[in-house]
Amino acid sequence: QTVVTQEPSFSVSPGGTVTLTCGLSSGSVSTSHFPSWYQQTPGQTPRTLIYSTTIRSSGVSDRFSGSMLGNKAALTITGAQADDECDYYCVIYLSSGIWVFGGGTKLTVL
Amino acid sequence: EVQLVESGGGLVYPGGSLRLSCAASGFTFTPAWMAWVRQAPGKGLEWVGRIRSSAEAGATDYAAPVKGRFTISRDDSKNTLYLQMNSLKIEDSALYYCTIDHYRITTTVVKPFESWGQGTLVTVSS
Repeated sequence: QTVVTQEPSFSVSPGGTVTLTCGLSSGSVSTSHFPSWYQQTPGQTPRTLIYSTTIRSSGVSDRFSGSMLGNKAALTITGAQADDECDYYCVIYLSSGIWVFGGGTKLTVL
Repeated sequence: EVQLVESGGGLVYPGGSLRLSCAASGFTFTPAWMAWVRQAPGKGLEWVGRIRSSAEAGATDYAAPVKGRFTISRDDSKNTLYLQMNSLKIEDSALYYCTIDHYRITTTVVKPFESWGQGTLVTVSS
C-alpha cells in the first residue's frame, strides 16, 4: 500500500523560511500526482494553500509557495509568522484513482 | 457560497452500522464528484472514498481500510450525499467530512477538496 510521507514535525524561527516535503514510499512524486497542500489549525476544517503542485489558492498569502524538490513535492513558507504554527497536509492522486493524504507536519514557530 | 452540512454521526458498537448524510447547496451538485474524508481525534486526514456523477454511473472508489464495508451513494434530487458504514471498527472512530472530491480546471490542473463541511463525529466503542 502506497504511503505518502511528510516530516512529522518542523520548527522555524519567526521571520524564517521553512520547506516541508511530500514524498511517496515507493517511487517519486510528479506533477501528474496533482500534489496539493492544506493548512489546518486546531478545531478548524482544512484550508487549501496550494493545488496542482504550484498554484496558490485564492486569498492565500504569497509567503506560501509550492514546487517540486527532487522526487518530492514541497511547500515553502517564507517570513514565518506565529499564526503559521499549525498542521500542514499534502495529498497525492495515485494512478489507481484514489487520493492519499500524508500524515501531516506539525509546524512550530519559535 | 458552497455549503456542506453533515449529519448522522453518533455512538455505535463495534460491528454496528451507521448512515451519514451530507446536504449540499450553493453549487451544482449533479455533475460534482463528491467525497468523504475522515480525521480521527488528534490524527491526520484520511480520504475515505468518492462517488462520480450520476452521468458517470455514480461509480465509486474507496480507500483500502473501508473497501467492502462502506458504501457511498447520492440522491441528486435532494442534493444529498450518503455514507453507509457497516461492520464498524474502533479504528473507524473519526470526524467525517463531506467534500467536493475535486474540480478539474484543465487537463493538467486539478483542485481537490476545496470546500468542507464541519463534519459529523462517529464514535465506535463498546
